[in-house]
Amino acid sequence: EAGVTQSPTHLIKTRGQQATLRCSPISGHTSVYWYQQALGLGLQFLLWYDEGEERNRGNFPPRFSGRQFPNYSSELNVNALELEDSALYLCASSSPPLGQSTDTQYFGPGTRLTVL
Amino acid sequence: KQEVTQIPAALSVPEGENLVLNCSFTDSAIYNLQWFRQDPGKGLTSLLLIQSSQREQTSGRLNASLDKSSGRSTLYIAASQPGDSATYLCAPRAYFGNEKLTFGTGTRLTIIP
Repeated sequence: EAGVTQSPTHLIKTRGQQATLRCSPISGHTSVYWYQQALGLGLQFLLWYDEGEERNRGNFPPRFSGRQFPNYSSELNVNALELEDSALYLCASSSPPLGQSTDTQYFGPGTRLTVL
Repeated sequence: KQEVTQIPAALSVPEGENLVLNCSFTDSAIYNLQWFRQDPGKGLTSLLLIQSSQREQTSGRLNASLDKSSGRSTLYIAASQPGDSATYLCAPRAYFGNEKLTFGTGTRLTIIP
C-alpha cells in the first residue's frame, strides 16, 4: 500500500512569490492535515481538511490557504512568501474520523520550502 | 491551549542500554497520544499510539505508558541500537472532532556504537 506522497521534495522561491505544495493521501483516507516544521519552532498544526472542507485551522495568517480535491488530494498555497516561511511542510492523512481512539495520522516525507 | 514538553532535549547513550524518554502535557482531556520518530530532514514515522483508556502499549523493543491524570507519557526503549538514533516526538490529540495533533519539542537521541 502506497504511503502519503508529497511534491515537490524541494522548492525554492523568492520573497513575495507564491508557493504551491501538493499531497496525496493513503488510498481510502479522507482527511488531510498540514503541519509546518520551522527551524527552532517545532511542528505546528496548519490546516485540516476532510471531505473537501476545511475543518480546523492553526494560528497562521490567511496567506496560508489550501484546498482538498474530490480525490482527497490536497494543495497548500502560501502567498506573499516571507523569509520565515522557510520550513519543512509535512502532510498527513487518516481514515475517516469515526470516533475511534485508534485513529492514527500517517505522515509524508515533506516538502522543504526555502524562501530567499 | 495544549502545551507539550519533552525531557531531555537531547540524549546520547552507548549501544545496548535501556532508556526512557519523557513527555508531559498540560491538558489531560486528550483522546489519544502518539509517539513518532523523525530522521533528519524526513517525515514522521508513527511508533505507538496509546488510547486515552489505556495505560501501556508495546511494540517490539518499545513500550509507551500513559498517565492521563498527571499529564505524562514515557517511551521506554530496550536494548538500544544505532538505528534508533533519531528525534522522538510525542503528540497528544485533542477530543474527537478536533483532529489536531500538538507536538512536543522532541528528544534528539544518539546511540553510540
